[in-house]
Amino acid sequence: SQQGEEDPQALSIQEGENATMNCSYKTSINNLQWYRQNSGRGLVHLILIRSNEREKHSGRLRVTLDTSKKSSSLLITASRAADTASYFCATAPTSGSRLTFGEGTQLTVNP
Amino acid sequence: DAGVIQSPRHEVTEMGQEVTLRCKPISGHNSLFWYRQTMMRGLELLIYFNNNVPIDDSGMPEDRFSAKMPNASFSTLKIQPSEPRDSAVYFCASRWTRRQETQYFGPGTRLLVL
Repeated sequence: SQQGEEDPQALSIQEGENATMNCSYKTSINNLQWYRQNSGRGLVHLILIRSNEREKHSGRLRVTLDTSKKSSSLLITASRAADTASYFCATAPTSGSRLTFGEGTQLTVNP
Repeated sequence: DAGVIQSPRHEVTEMGQEVTLRCKPISGHNSLFWYRQTMMRGLELLIYFNNNVPIDDSGMPEDRFSAKMPNASFSTLKIQPSEPRDSAVYFCASRWTRRQETQYFGPGTRLLVL
């Protein structure tokens, strides 16, 4: 199966709630990145976590990385309607420049 | 900075026609990536360039697809002849290899081949 698989495929929550998305991967990585894609737009980088890091914060975003389980999670706290988008994880290999993207989680935040 | 610029934003063409997609990366970035996004296959890397040189084109589906980067500020992705299964959104992304690992995406070209 594909490197970088997100779970769940779709998530619907109410404004103010927290949203958690998970990503699993198969091979060794240099770093893992999360991107957001609004409908009809290009992807926008959110946060990068390196293989030697376990947790990282950026505003309302919290990312964790467990290299032993080859998994990562993205937590969006106090969600807003504007957070409605697709969220993708992308893994960067230990060598080379290519990113491998997962299939994404479609997040809907209802006002 | 204007960001990554892609043109056209939308393209509708008939099967068998040649399609050329264009990309202008962010000034100063030395890596450029072409992706294709479909519902069935998700986001796929087609090819990427470092310093205008193609490094990995293993994602290019077949000989009908070709990509060039004649200089640091311009790249094209050409499909000849186009087929309905090429219908997708094609994204270009760029980055500065030595200083950052994140990629900056353009708005995409939505291609429909009839």
